[in-house]
Amino acid sequence: GEQVEQLPSILRVQEGSSASINCSYEDSASNYFPWYKQEPGENPKLIIDIRSNMERKQIQELIVLLDKKAKRFSLHITDTQPGDSAMYFCAASRNNAPRFGAGTKLSVKP
Amino acid sequence: NSKVIQTPRYLVKGQGQKAKMRCIPEKGHPVVFWYQQNKNNEFKFLINFQNQEVLQQIDMTEKRFSAECPSNSPCSLEIQSSEAGDSALYLCASTYSTGQLYFGEGSKLTVL
Repeated sequence: GEQVEQLPSILRVQEGSSASINCSYEDSASNYFPWYKQEPGENPKLIIDIRSNMERKQIQELIVLLDKKAKRFSLHITDTQPGDSAMYFCAASRNNAPRFGAGTKLSVKP
Repeated sequence: NSKVIQTPRYLVKGQGQKAKMRCIPEKGHPVVFWYQQNKNNEFKFLINFQNQEVLQQIDMTEKRFSAECPSNSPCSLEIQSSEAGDSALYLCASTYSTGQLYFGEGSKLTVL
């Protein structure tokens, strides 16, 4: 009951377009959903997160949506830039160790 | 720059050898996690601590790994007898309670 599925595994978009990554989780009691960005050779860094008392959160070009009923959450990057190219990981936790999705490799073409 | 300090950044071991990694969590963070990130970038949770106590650990960690977070000393993760499949990036992360994890730079283990 702790699996987190993440799709797509590879995402290529044109600069200026939007990119969307989708995750689903099994544990309905999960209450915290962070998103991490990891650049090659670096550690993962939190970019945005959402708790179960919210359905939508936006920080600049990043939008996170949470559908608790469907046990799905998603990250949307609007107006992508080449600097957004990286691995992105979703995670879900219930006051315990976050379980991570398998990652999405985002490439933004100039 | 990460405030979670992991050492060493790289280590190379032969099969059967011990491999030990250390982590100094961010100051004031009582909860420490260890994750293994494999060559496919997949994260596997290994163990976590609150102060010196183990909160959760997976079966593999219980059998072949030893980990501790003594007071006033770095946390450590040690593989008792390294196997080729242990080659991975070992990430330590800390947090204040339940929320954002702050990751260290990782220790990249290569088992020959």
